[in-house]
Amino acid sequence: DQQVKQNSPSLSVQEGRISILNCDYTNSMFDYFLWYKKYPAEGPTFLISISSIKDKNEDGRFTVFLNKSAKHLSLHIVPSQPGDSAVYFCAASARGAGSYQLTFGKGTKLSVIP
Amino acid sequence: NAGVMQNPRHLVRRRGQEARLRCSPMKGHSHVYWYRQLPEEGLKFMVYLQKENIIDESGMPKERFSAEFPKEGPSILRIQQVVRGDSAAYFCASLPSQGTEAFFGQGTRLTVV
Repeated sequence: DQQVKQNSPSLSVQEGRISILNCDYTNSMFDYFLWYKKYPAEGPTFLISISSIKDKNEDGRFTVFLNKSAKHLSLHIVPSQPGDSAVYFCAASARGAGSYQLTFGKGTKLSVIP
Repeated sequence: NAGVMQNPRHLVRRRGQEARLRCSPMKGHSHVYWYRQLPEEGLKFMVYLQKENIIDESGMPKERFSAEFPKEGPSILRIQQVVRGDSAAYFCASLPSQGTEAFFGQGTRLTVV
């Protein structure tokens, strides 16, 4: 049972345009969400996070939106740059329930075309 | 401040041998996760440890796999009698006791031949 789903395995975007990566979750106990970026042969790198008490968090070119009623979050990258090409993982945890386990989606491979 | 250090980066074992993977968390971090990534798959949770305690091992296979995080030294993920299906990238992540974001190491790529 996949509790965190990233339904798009891949996404291609033109340089300078907006990249939107989506993530859906099923566990209503999840209250903290994170996005990680991963290059080949490297470990995931933390990108941005959001608590369930917020619906938006912004950090430079990266913005994460959370829609709790739809159990959906998205990562917006604008403007997209070729260096953003990587696999992006959505992760969630249920900290309020005392769990620090991070549950990951399968990832979306983003390709930014120059 | 050095990041999370994992060694070795690459490990080749024959079927039936033991694999021992090490993870040194970031300085000041007392919590460690281990994750496994199979080809074409996401990161699968294995175990969550604090110093000298296993907090959550719900993702660990019941047999052949064990993990520890001693008071001194790195966290160790041990796989006994490895099989071909154990071939994967194993990632360790650490976070401080009051932290919210986990920081990952570069992983150990285990190949069982």
